[in-house]
Amino acid sequence: AQKITQTQPGMFVQEKEAVTLDCTYDTSDQSYGLFWYKQPSSGEMIFLIYQGSYDEQNATEGRYSLNFQKARKSANLVISASQLGDSAMYFCAMREGADSSYKLIFGSGTRLLVRP
Amino acid sequence: DTGVSQNPRHKITKRGQNVTFRCDPISEHNRLYWYRQTLGQGPEFLTYFQNEAQLEKSRLLSDRFSAERPKGSFSTLEIQRTEQGDSAMYLCASSIHSKGARTEAFFGQGTRLTVV
Repeated sequence: AQKITQTQPGMFVQEKEAVTLDCTYDTSDQSYGLFWYKQPSSGEMIFLIYQGSYDEQNATEGRYSLNFQKARKSANLVISASQLGDSAMYFCAMREGADSSYKLIFGSGTRLLVRP
Repeated sequence: DTGVSQNPRHKITKRGQNVTFRCDPISEHNRLYWYRQTLGQGPEFLTYFQNEAQLEKSRLLSDRFSAERPKGSFSTLEIQRTEQGDSAMYLCASSIHSKGARTEAFFGQGTRLTVV
């Protein structure tokens, strides 16, 4: 069955340093998409980055990059030069299949706290 | 603000009462999704619409839950005979899905339901 695992309930990082948030997934589909969302205390889910299963290059969006290791079924999020505003919950999610339907399966999240 | 709008932001209700939430998606988005998020967990898919058609419902959506999107614009989610286990954040998201354009899902800030 499809599943997303985030093994880090909480993480600390010093401001301006880089941090890696772990995500592993399980699927039997060949075609799938992986997402990272940020959820601040206000509640909305903010899209950060997307990686398709057939994408050969790791996705990057500004300070966010996705370390995609297909054979290991991992899709870790790397945040460079952490800022105080990065403190939030971070969720890894997966969409199965070629359709762009947004039936996403989410992990349980990692709470990131950036220390000044 | 042209993002996804959800009302109310908070709702406290007594067990057994009916509640209705509203979601206004981004205006040109033809797909609309409902998710439920309990404390300490990631969101779980409930249902989604393409225009006015409800295309998929999760097994999480019991008979007490009903969602509509009558004119393919805003959507409502009704819970009848609420139970304490219904206490959660209800998130709405929307996206474009067409032959010419596809986007990631944009989420609203959610409606937090507390059943007492």
